[in-house]
Amino acid sequence: QVRLVQSESELKKPGASVRISCQASRYTFTNYAIHWVRLAPGQGLEWMGWINTNTGNPMYAQDFTGRFVFSLDTSVSTAYLQISSLKAEDTAVYYCARDADVGWVDYWGQGTLVTVSS
Amino acid sequence: DIVMTQSPDSLPVSLGERATISCKSSQSLLHSFNNKNFLAWYQQKPGQPPKLLIYWASTRQSGVPERFSGSGSGTDFTLTISSLQAEDVAVYYCQQYYSTLYTFGQGTKLEIK
Repeated sequence: QVRLVQSESELKKPGASVRISCQASRYTFTNYAIHWVRLAPGQGLEWMGWINTNTGNPMYAQDFTGRFVFSLDTSVSTAYLQISSLKAEDTAVYYCARDADVGWVDYWGQGTLVTVSS
Repeated sequence: DIVMTQSPDSLPVSLGERATISCKSSQSLLHSFNNKNFLAWYQQKPGQPPKLLIYWASTRQSGVPERFSGSGSGTDFTLTISSLQAEDVAVYYCQQYYSTLYTFGQGTKLEIK
């Protein structure tokens, strides 16, 4: 069974940075893209973008350009989401998810809660 | 970007009754190369990640109960739960993958009346 295991919850101060990891197992990591999705309190799912795990090429949704960076370490089958200059409104659960190679997402990580508070 | 609009935002339904959720896209999701609609539906329960229910607008993911069905084409889509069970209480999202910039609908909260 495919698994995506994310890093633990983070508490950060405004202006700080955070890096979330998403380790994949039980499939060939470089064969399927990884998506990142945000769920803020009281809001719906927001698609942040995706990264091609074969080429490392990322694509960002319009609202997630600049402070958000997707990266990979294919040697350990892990994708990363880094958020810089954190703001209170970045408080959310962040999910990584595997593209089914056709467009929909078939497996999800458990989510990582990032809380930004002074 | 393709805008996805769901209705209603909240849907109270009695146990055993039918639940119907609508999803409209700002442009057609029907691709000419394979004549399929690039639309998926997800279910999200509190504290859990989303779960894939439907892809290609009407193909049920393996293991999803038959009471869940998807229909529609072009810009208008529907998720139907034929007989609501208590475990179906969740937020439901549609998502387009026609564009490489995917987008979700705002979600529909399904609850027991």
